[in-house]
Amino acid sequence: KAGVTQTPRYLIKTRGQQVTLSCSPISGHRSVSWYQQTPGQGLQFLFEYFSETQRNKGNFPGRFSGRQFSNSRSEMNVSTLELGDSALYLCASSLSWEQETQYFGPGTRLLVL
Amino acid sequence: AQSVAQPEDQVNVAEGNPLTVKCTYSVSGNPYLFWYVQYPNRGLQFLLKYITGDNLVKGSYGFEAEFNKSQTSFHLKKPSALVSDSALYFCAVRDIRYSTLTFGKGTMLLVSP
Repeated sequence: KAGVTQTPRYLIKTRGQQVTLSCSPISGHRSVSWYQQTPGQGLQFLFEYFSETQRNKGNFPGRFSGRQFSNSRSEMNVSTLELGDSALYLCASSLSWEQETQYFGPGTRLLVL
Repeated sequence: AQSVAQPEDQVNVAEGNPLTVKCTYSVSGNPYLFWYVQYPNRGLQFLLKYITGDNLVKGSYGFEAEFNKSQTSFHLKKPSALVSDSALYFCAVRDIRYSTLTFGKGTMLLVSP
């Protein structure tokens, strides 16, 4: 079974631009979560989706948004990019929100110049 | 609020020696605990988890972890380290209401030949 896939793998943007990152979960998985990883803050939770509904949201500004589609694929969007948004963005999937184990994708590395 | 502490930024061990990576946690209620490993420029790989049952949990690549409720610890162990075990290790606790994982700041494991 294929793992979690994320596209693109690398991205360079400039301040003020917006960006959309995509995540395809493991086949059959309906829960998708997003995390931001930076050297200073470590791994921080962004969003959790299940069946197209956002179930939980981390402490990030409104510039960060996400959604999940009926096929469980998910996207996250960051508008008005800031230098501090440079990070590795990780997507994880699980069978459902009740299933314990999340499996992570390789991440999208975003560099904001 | 739940939290995870990994007191060591780095652990150094010689190949063939046993290794321990420490983790303590704080949650209300029963903990769902996880260990993940991250290799350079990669996502997180699931190693093992404790949900309930035996306090000694066995996982991938010969790793195991010992759950100690009285000390609120979940230390990762391996009897004989390999150079290829060198990576960044994260301990995490799951919120039982959601899929959300709260991570420790990570411990870099360096195994010398």
